[in-house]
Amino acid sequence: QVQLQESGPGLLKPSETLSLNCTVSGVSTSAASYFWSWIRQPAGKRPEWIGRIYNSGHTEYNPSLRSRVTLSLDTSENHLSLRLTSVTAADTAVYFCAGYYEYYDGTYPHAFHIWGQGTMVTVSS
Amino acid sequence: DIVVTQSPLSLTVTPGEPASISCRSSQSLVGGNGNDYLDWYLQKPGQSPQVLIYLGSNRASGVPDRFSGSGSGTDFTLKISRVEAEDVGVYYCMQAAQTPYTFGLGTKLEIK
Repeated sequence: QVQLQESGPGLLKPSETLSLNCTVSGVSTSAASYFWSWIRQPAGKRPEWIGRIYNSGHTEYNPSLRSRVTLSLDTSENHLSLRLTSVTAADTAVYFCAGYYEYYDGTYPHAFHIWGQGTMVTVSS
Repeated sequence: DIVVTQSPLSLTVTPGEPASISCRSSQSLVGGNGNDYLDWYLQKPGQSPQVLIYLGSNRASGVPDRFSGSGSGTDFTLKISRVEAEDVGVYYCMQAAQTPYTFGLGTKLEIK
């Protein structure tokens, strides 16, 4: 069974650096059929796509966060990580990791078909 | 960024009645291969989003056939032929034609 599980600090102070991990099980993060994303969602608001990383290590980021965010992937440990610097209250949200299936073979939906349960991050002094 | 506009923002539906949600994008979501990169997700209370429809009109495995997606280019629709109590939650459309991927504001479906 494919599962994603996020973990992180929960509470940070403004200007600190957020580090989150996502442990992947049931599918290899080195699979060429997937890329992996982080998506966040402030309470009561729409999700916001943060960025994506491929098994090659290639990354793409949302321009709104590009200067502060770094995604990484450890295929040997099968987990992905997010690092967000200089956090403010505006970064308070539930953070999800998600897997997007890129093939068109019908095995899985060509979409974010795997999601973690999300981890709440609060930025407050 | 591609702007995705959903309507309505809320729906209250009697069980057994149909429901329809519209999603419009500021740019065409058709890729070079002819696919429409528009997905529909349902986020049930306290849960992560789950994909219902991908590439505009393809129903994900396990999704009841009362859900259907249609449209192309910039105009898309999600239809529920007969709403059931388990369909409550917030429905989001998301464009995956161009990064950054963007979501609509969401449509909250409640049961009357």
